[in-house]
Amino acid sequence: AQSVTQLGSHVSVSEGALVLLRCNYSSSVPPYLFWYVQYPNQGLQLLLKYTTGATLVKGINGFEAEFKKSETSFHLTKPSAHMSDAAEYFCAVGGGTASKLTFGTGTRLQVTL
Amino acid sequence: DTAVSQTPKYLVTQMGNDKSIKCEQNLGHDTMYWYKQDSKKFLKIMFSYNNKELIINETVPNRFSPKSPDKAHLNLHINSLELGDSAVYFCASSQDGGNPGANVLTFGAGSRLTVL
Repeated sequence: AQSVTQLGSHVSVSEGALVLLRCNYSSSVPPYLFWYVQYPNQGLQLLLKYTTGATLVKGINGFEAEFKKSETSFHLTKPSAHMSDAAEYFCAVGGGTASKLTFGTGTRLQVTL
Repeated sequence: DTAVSQTPKYLVTQMGNDKSIKCEQNLGHDTMYWYKQDSKKFLKIMFSYNNKELIINETVPNRFSPKSPDKAHLNLHINSLELGDSAVYFCASSQDGGNPGANVLTFGAGSRLTVL
C-alpha cells in the first residue's frame, strides 16, 4: 500500500522568496515519486520525478526535489518564487507493477508581491 | 493539437440522469486512466486501461462504466447520477516504459460535472 502526506494545504510566500512544499510518503515497495502542478482550470502537468539514481532531481521552471529515504520525504523547493508559480501542487507516489499513482491532497501555493 | 482532450468541459445535469464523458489522446500512449477530483482537490484513480484492456478498477460504484473502443479513446459513462458524483473528472494517458510504476501521466483539462 502507498500513501502520500502533504503538510500544509496552503502556503504563501513573497515573490523572490524560497518556496518549500513538503511531501512525505509511505510505500511497501521502492517508491517512484512525482510532483505535478495544476494551474486553475487546467489538468495536471509533470514538474519532476524520481525513479532511481541521483536523489536530487531538477524539474521545469526552476523547481527541484530531493529524495530522502531515511526521512521518507520528497520536498519540493525553488530558490526564488515568481508570481506565475501560483498554483496547486501535488505530490504522488508510484511503484510496483501497477501503473497507478497515489496522490497527496495538494498544496496551494500563493505568491504575493 | 491537444494531447489529451476531454469533452464536454462542463456538464450540468439532474439527479438520476445518465451521462457520458469522452476522452481521446493523440500521443500514441498505451495506457489511459480516469481520475476523480473532488471539491477538496483530492485526486483518486477510478480506472485504467492498457491497449483496451481494463487493468485497474478501483472501488467505484458500478454506475460508472468505462469503455475503450481503441487504445486512443477511453470514455466514461455514468448511470443514475447522484449528488455525490459532482466532481472534476480527469482523463490521462501514459506510455509504458517497461516500469509501470514510473509512468508519467499526461492529463486532459478535466470535465466538471455538476449534479443538481
